Amino acid sequence: DTEVTQTPKHLVMGMTNKKSLKCEQHMGHRAMYWYKQKAKKPPELMFVYSYEKLSINESVPSRFSPECPNSSLLNLHLHALQPEDSALYLCASSEGGQAIPYNEQFFGPGTRLTVL
Amino acid sequence: QKEVEQNSGPLSVPEGAIASLNCTYSDRGSQSFFWYRQYSGKSPELIMFIYSNGDKEDGRFTAQLNKASQYVSLLIRDSQPSDSATYLCAVNNSSGYSTLTFGKGTMLLVSP
Repeated sequence: DTEVTQTPKHLVMGMTNKKSLKCEQHMGHRAMYWYKQKAKKPPELMFVYSYEKLSINESVPSRFSPECPNSSLLNLHLHALQPEDSALYLCASSEGGQAIPYNEQFFGPGTRLTVL
Repeated sequence: QKEVEQNSGPLSVPEGAIASLNCTYSDRGSQSFFWYRQYSGKSPELIMFIYSNGDKEDGRFTAQLNKASQYVSLLIRDSQPSDSATYLCAVNNSSGYSTLTFGKGTMLLVSP
């Protein structure tokens, strides 16, 4: 089973709202990722968690706050977003996260976020 | 800066033909290479990965890797209209954590 699930599928929020995106995998993967993808662009890495610890933050604004409650779950907390943050937010997971080159990443279906 | 280059397309092929998608990369230390298919509005789906020089076949798909030339390709035989999508080439980064650098993707259009 190579399934990564994400909720919600769609989210519309105002600039003053607080919301959270959720991601779950049951493949025993120890690395989880958040990506942002704008239309006609490739996925852009935001955060990497390896063994439940934040390993990489790609200089993401603090209005995005990741959390990894356990090895199967990954959250992305959103607060005071801007309209330009509207995008497809993708979660991915892979077996391991630390310098393991043979490491396929599997993506969830994504959350389509619209910020009004 | 590590780069992955792909022709943005669109690459148009008739149904039943072979589609050839190409990708070059700059990081000589990269060891693993991935092809993702992405339908419009959907998430990327991993369809092939290759680690060793040469060819790797899986059904109608063949991935080819030439590390000396820093070149990876994807061949799709007997192309079907359902293959119409954007194909993303991704290359693992050789330093630090196992992250990927994506190309901008090639749009493939298969006409009936």
